[in-house]
Amino acid sequence: KNQVEQSPQSLIILEGKNCTLQCNYTVSPFSNLRWYKQDTGRGPVSLTIMTFSENTKSNGRYTATLDADTKQSSLHITASQLSDSASYICVVKREGGSYIPTFGRGTSLIVHP
Amino acid sequence: ETGVTQTPRHLVMGMTNKKSLKCEQHLGHNAMYWYKQSAKKPLELMFVYNFKEQTENNSVPSRFSPECPNSSHLFLHLHTLQPEDSALYLCASSHRTSGRAETGELFFGEGSRLTVL
Repeated sequence: KNQVEQSPQSLIILEGKNCTLQCNYTVSPFSNLRWYKQDTGRGPVSLTIMTFSENTKSNGRYTATLDADTKQSSLHITASQLSDSASYICVVKREGGSYIPTFGRGTSLIVHP
Repeated sequence: ETGVTQTPRHLVMGMTNKKSLKCEQHLGHNAMYWYKQSAKKPLELMFVYNFKEQTENNSVPSRFSPECPNSSHLFLHLHTLQPEDSALYLCASSHRTSGRAETGELFFGEGSRLTVL
């Protein structure tokens, strides 16, 4: 069964600190993996996309990694800001077959001043 | 601004009411989606329209009725809902292409927060 598991479920950190969110998936065959950010009361917005050949990709203070062999991805946030408080959702798309991606439950991040 | 607009943003309705959620996308996309988001659960796909044709109905109860009059507009008609239907309903759109060119990025609206009393 194609699944996407995220950890931790929730995380509280102090402003300025770094953190790393994890995503493990069983979706196969793999096409791409996206990290979405969802602010409270808003819709999810794509932060970054990782394809099979990419190991690391940065978007400002956000850095995503992908290990296609172990089927793991991480999202590292550097020097966190209050505006980083949100839910971060890992979404994996399957190659061929259904074009509908598989969503993880998300990690809820709270950044305190 | 994602280019996908949902109205209303908030809706409170009784179990016997009939209401509709509206979604409009200004991105020129050819696929539109309804997702349900409940607390602590992954987004649940409800319906997919591809070039105005419904291609997915994810075992959704008949009290939810979608309508896609054209590739830019999507509605979700609600009738005799249950309290457990209270959730955030998200509309999304994407550009479908053939083969490996499709990245699958979904562009979401802000959502309609539904409360069923």
